[in-house]
Amino acid sequence: DIQMTQSPSSLSASVGDRVTITCRASQSISSYLNWYQQKPGKAPKLLIYAASSLQSGVPSRFSGSGSGTDFTLTISSLQPEDFATYYCQQSYSTPPLFGQGTRLEIK
Amino acid sequence: QVQLVESGGGVVQPGRSLRLSCAASGFTFSSYAMHWVRQAPGKGLEWVAVISYDGSNKYYADSVKGRFTISRDNSKNTLYLQMNSLRAEDTAVYYCARDARLGYCTNGVCYTLDYWGQGTLVTVSS
Repeated sequence: DIQMTQSPSSLSASVGDRVTITCRASQSISSYLNWYQQKPGKAPKLLIYAASSLQSGVPSRFSGSGSGTDFTLTISSLQPEDFATYYCQQSYSTPPLFGQGTRLEIK
Repeated sequence: QVQLVESGGGVVQPGRSLRLSCAASGFTFSSYAMHWVRQAPGKGLEWVAVISYDGSNKYYADSVKGRFTISRDNSKNTLYLQMNSLRAEDTAVYYCARDARLGYCTNGVCYTLDYWGQGTLVTVSS
């Protein structure tokens, strides 16, 4: 199985900050990496697919980059509605494992 | 608009069975692979199973293989998860999700999940 490791596990930031979350795969997954946002009590929402493609309707302040084993999710200017938990997920092979999540909290 | 509505969750004793359903609407259900993903209380996301658009291919997480069965009825636009021999560690919110048909695809499954239901809680406890 391809393991996914996110860092940090939690992060405190302020509205307007630029934030970066990283995700590392245990082996190369090319660009088959997705990012999801989950708010408490809600279902996850697809933000980024194929490492850098923005899902329809997602604000342009979200961006993704990387290939191979190292990936990043960047939020250019944090908004109040962005405080949530973020998960990466590899879509290269079965099982399509998720990272452990990064909880983004208000400073 | 795409809508996925799970049902069938509840409290069940260890060793017993439960069947979850996911009613789909707003898209051509028979054209998309479908997934189940679960989330234990306070924990992260765990992929459970996927079924191809026509039901010909099914894949499972090792943690549920041999106990859970994913199926679908395209005439009813409904996805199912039959859960047998339930354990305490199966306690979770179970989500159904649509396969987005994006990225690397094999055997009719692409593993990018673009729409999710609201989830149904399964509690396994004596």
